[in-house]
Amino acid sequence: DAGVIQSPRHEVTEMGQEVTLRCKPISGHDYLFWYRQTMMRGLELLIYFNNNVPIDDSGMPEDRFSAKMPNASFSTLKIQPSEPRDSAVYFCASSNAGGPETQYFGPGTRLLVL
Amino acid sequence: SQKIEQNSEALNIQEGKTATLTCNYTNYSPAYLQWYRQDPGRGPVFLLLIRENEKEKRKERLKVTFDTTLKQSLFHITASQPADSATYLCALETGANNLFFGTGTRLTVIP
Repeated sequence: DAGVIQSPRHEVTEMGQEVTLRCKPISGHDYLFWYRQTMMRGLELLIYFNNNVPIDDSGMPEDRFSAKMPNASFSTLKIQPSEPRDSAVYFCASSNAGGPETQYFGPGTRLLVL
Repeated sequence: SQKIEQNSEALNIQEGKTATLTCNYTNYSPAYLQWYRQDPGRGPVFLLLIRENEKEKRKERLKVTFDTTLKQSLFHITASQPADSATYLCALETGANNLFFGTGTRLTVIP
């Protein structure tokens, strides 16, 4: 398996622009997680899905952030409008259901908002 | 809410020695706890999982302990090597496959 795939790997944008991050989970995994990592706050859970349904989005910073999972093999995290404080590394992870399964992380998207 | 403290934001150790990293948590005790390794520019990679009814878990040169009374997990790397240099994250389950991560300890093994 190719593992979790994220695109783009790097994104530089200007404040106010829309940013879309993409994730393809490992085939057969039921759970998909979006995280944000910064030096100050570490790895923070933004939202997670189970069988394509959002379960907990309490970590989403504000209405500027939205996430979708239209099917089992694709998810997006959108920021509109973007702000400099959104600069971070965004990770997508997936896991199996049915127990304390580990999460498999993608390589991350490094976002810089100028 | 749950809080995790991984003391020592950075830890330097001589090659061949045992590195010990600490993860302390507050509030409720999780059903299990995990340790991940993260290299620069990469996503975290799972290393070990230990359940609340297990005192110790080993994998090659790695050993994890879990003390629910102290609300603490210790992560040991024996015979450390420069290739072990990375950031190590502990993560607590919060229920329903959800994990809460610590901020990590950056380990440097000096040749």
